Amino acid sequence: NAGVTQTPKFRILKIGQSMTLQCTQDMNHNYMYWYRQDPGMGLKLIYYSVGAGITDKGEVPNGYNVSRSTTEDFPLRLELAAPSQTSVYFCASSIAWTSGGTGDTQYFGPGTRLTVL
Amino acid sequence: QKEVEQNSGPLSVPEGAIASLNCTYSDRGSQSFFWYRQYSGKSPELIMSIYSNGDKEDGRFTAQLNKASQYVSLLIRDSQPSDSATYLCVVNIGTNAGKSTFGDGTTLTVKP
Repeated sequence: NAGVTQTPKFRILKIGQSMTLQCTQDMNHNYMYWYRQDPGMGLKLIYYSVGAGITDKGEVPNGYNVSRSTTEDFPLRLELAAPSQTSVYFCASSIAWTSGGTGDTQYFGPGTRLTVL
Repeated sequence: QKEVEQNSGPLSVPEGAIASLNCTYSDRGSQSFFWYRQYSGKSPELIMSIYSNGDKEDGRFTAQLNKASQYVSLLIRDSQPSDSATYLCVVNIGTNAGKSTFGDGTTLTVKP
């Protein structure tokens, strides 16, 4: 299993450009997440999905959009990039969301380092 | 007050010592607690999960949870230079998917 894969690894955008960050998992996990991590900080949730066709906002959704047409893929779309979106983006997945069970362990992709100039 | 607070670092210990990492959380409805390790420039990876009060041991790592005090900790015994990383405390609240709250992390350096 490749686990969670993300592309690209690095990207530089100009202000106002748009792009899609790709995320794919091969573990048949229902739940998928997008986080951003600013320097010296913890991860903040952007969007998440509990299954194909179902997505919801996290803590910092402004400036982003997502879709989930298959179990495997969860792309993140940046519209009109701004310098404040310079960050490292992590995609993660988990089996489910169960209280007190192991299904809620999240597995992370390698990240995409995005710079907006 | 932050929802999840970790002791400010950086934390430096000599090789072979015990490293103690602490975390407090604000929501009493929190159900699941995790410690992730993140090497510089890499993604987080799970070290320990704990769901009930008490201690949970896995090799050199021990997680401790006290829900009454809203406190979770991670002890690393016989610390090795390879343990040098940032440790993230993560708290899941209730059954609402997506409610994972991350602390800002504590950076640990183990000196040979």
